[in-house]
Amino acid sequence: AQSVSQHNHHVILSEAASLELGCNYSYGGTVNLFWYVQYPGQHLQLLLKYFSGDPLVKGIKGFEAEFIKSKFSFNLRKPSVQWSDTAEYFCAVNARGGNKLTFGTGTQLKVEL
Amino acid sequence: GAVVSQHPSWVICKSGTSVKIECRSLDFQATTMFWYRQFPKQSLMLMATSNEGSKATYEQGVEKDKFLINHASLTLSTLTVTSAHPEDSSFYICSAPSGHSYEQYFGPGTRLTVT
Repeated sequence: AQSVSQHNHHVILSEAASLELGCNYSYGGTVNLFWYVQYPGQHLQLLLKYFSGDPLVKGIKGFEAEFIKSKFSFNLRKPSVQWSDTAEYFCAVNARGGNKLTFGTGTQLKVEL
Repeated sequence: GAVVSQHPSWVICKSGTSVKIECRSLDFQATTMFWYRQFPKQSLMLMATSNEGSKATYEQGVEKDKFLINHASLTLSTLTVTSAHPEDSSFYICSAPSGHSYEQYFGPGTRLTVT
């Protein structure tokens, strides 16, 4: 069975600061990797995904993530955060060919003006 | 993009009663839908996989007789919490994969409070 770890549970940043949220997964086979965001009062939305190819993937709203296979990691980054990025961020994984998602515990990001 | 809706968005019920939550894919068909439970400040835990035309597949530790799932059509799955107890109070979220991209679309969730 796969598992996902997000080490940062709460992150507080000032606007324009750079962001990196850690995500590590555990699974013996090939995986698809996702980052989802949940803005206050809203449903989960896909930020970006990695299936194959270039390990550096770019998503919406200036976010990007890098898949490092040797480290089983898929960290999320943004060079300059905005107040509107305040939300909860979830890393998720599913086995290649499957649909069942396993989520990390989430990271609550607060961006202060 | 694909849209998934849930109804109701929130519900309060008394202990011992049953509550039905609907999950609909609005602009696509879904032979599979997923039901998650999210506790405050915690992650989403997969409860079960809803399969159109066959029985749902439950994750370990989820009581199938308590959480009844019916995938009535290619656009509708329902989750019925039977004989609800206060510990069933939670946020229930459904999702559906669209096409063959393995991307899932999530409903807005249903807040259940059992008094």
